[in-house]
Amino acid sequence: KAGVTQTPRYLIKTRGQQVTLSCSPISGHRSVSWYQQTPGQGLQFLFEYFSETQRNKGNFPGRFSGRQFSNSRSEMNVSTLELGDSALYLCASSLYRYNEQFFGPGTRLTVL
Amino acid sequence: AQTVTQSQPEMSVQEAETVTLSCTYDTSENNYYLFWYKQPPSRQMILVIRQEAYKQQNATENRFSVNFQKAAKSFSLKISDSQLGDTAMYFCAFMKHLQTGTASKLTFGTGTRLQVTL
Repeated sequence: KAGVTQTPRYLIKTRGQQVTLSCSPISGHRSVSWYQQTPGQGLQFLFEYFSETQRNKGNFPGRFSGRQFSNSRSEMNVSTLELGDSALYLCASSLYRYNEQFFGPGTRLTVL
Repeated sequence: AQTVTQSQPEMSVQEAETVTLSCTYDTSENNYYLFWYKQPPSRQMILVIRQEAYKQQNATENRFSVNFQKAAKSFSLKISDSQLGDTAMYFCAFMKHLQTGTASKLTFGTGTRLQVTL
């Protein structure tokens, strides 16, 4: 079975721009969660989608949003980028909401 | 809110030796899950082991085992016969049970960087 895939792997943007990251879960997995990883804040939960509905949201501003499609693929969007948004964004999928999560390789976002 | 504490920022172990990574957590929940993930320099986060809080038996996966002490809220990871490929950042993580309505959110510790040397 193919693992979780994330595209693109690397992104460079400038302040004020917006960005969309994509995540394809493991086949059959219905829950997709997103995390931000930075050296200063560590790993922080962004949000979780299950059956195309956001079920959980972390403590991030409204500039961070996401969605899930009927095939369980998910996208997250960050608008009006700030320097502090530079991070590794990790997507994780699980069969259902209470199962172990399997992570993708991440998207490294650099905001200049 | 749940918190996860990993008090060892860095550890080193020689190949073939055994090492134990510490993790403590704070929660008022009775049902929850605990995980250890490893993140090698390649950055891909890999699930190492999972423990359900209601199970008294400690989880084991090949060379990896845990010592789960529910009353003490402690969840340590033991790596036996360490290999060079075990070099990675190790994260302890907590997840509430679905019954509480907020499952699927992993709360991570700050990580322990493990270096396996020859």
